[in-house]
Amino acid sequence: AQSVTQLGSHVSVSEGALVLLRCNYSSSVPPYLFWYVQYPNQGLQLLLKYTSAATLVKGINGFEAEFKKSETSFHLTKPSAHMSDAAEYFCAVSEAGNQFYFGTGTSLTVIP
Amino acid sequence: KAGVTQTPRYLIKTRGQQVTLSCSPISGHRSVSWYQQTPGQGLQFLFEYFSETQRNKGNFPGRFSGRQFSNSRSEMNVSTLELGDSALYLCASSPQTGGSYNEQFFGPGTRLTVL
Repeated sequence: AQSVTQLGSHVSVSEGALVLLRCNYSSSVPPYLFWYVQYPNQGLQLLLKYTSAATLVKGINGFEAEFKKSETSFHLTKPSAHMSDAAEYFCAVSEAGNQFYFGTGTSLTVIP
Repeated sequence: KAGVTQTPRYLIKTRGQQVTLSCSPISGHRSVSWYQQTPGQGLQFLFEYFSETQRNKGNFPGRFSGRQFSNSRSEMNVSTLELGDSALYLCASSPQTGGSYNEQFFGPGTRLTVL
């Protein structure tokens, strides 16, 4: 089975600062990787996905993530944080058969 | 296309009761997965249905069950509710394109509170 580790359950950044949310995965085969965002009292919304094309993936709302096979990482970044980015972020890996494995989530706080 | 819908959005039950939650996937999606989300445990996979068959199952007791209908709508049932079953239950649907990559689209969830 695959697994996902998100380092840091809580991250705080100042408005305008760089956002970096970390995700490491374990997989014996090339993975499909995803980042989802969850706002309070809502379901999860897809931010971006890696499906073995370009290693640098651009998503919605200015977010991007880089797949690094040697480091088994898929960290999420955004150059400049906005107040509206405050939410819970989940990294996920998918294997054949549509089973998803989610990390435990990182809560992002943006300080004005 | 309409998104994934879940009903009801909120439920309050007492210990020992049973509950049924419903999920309508995006039109054309044949795979439906269920997750339990709690503050301490994060997102935990319950099960996945595809074409009315349970294809994957997480590590939950038999009190948790589900089914899928021919129109891909899915229900999950929890019997003999316990306080620890209080959670947000999320449903996600996926298009089944034939490859191993399947993006999941999530509904808003059903908030279950067990008293």
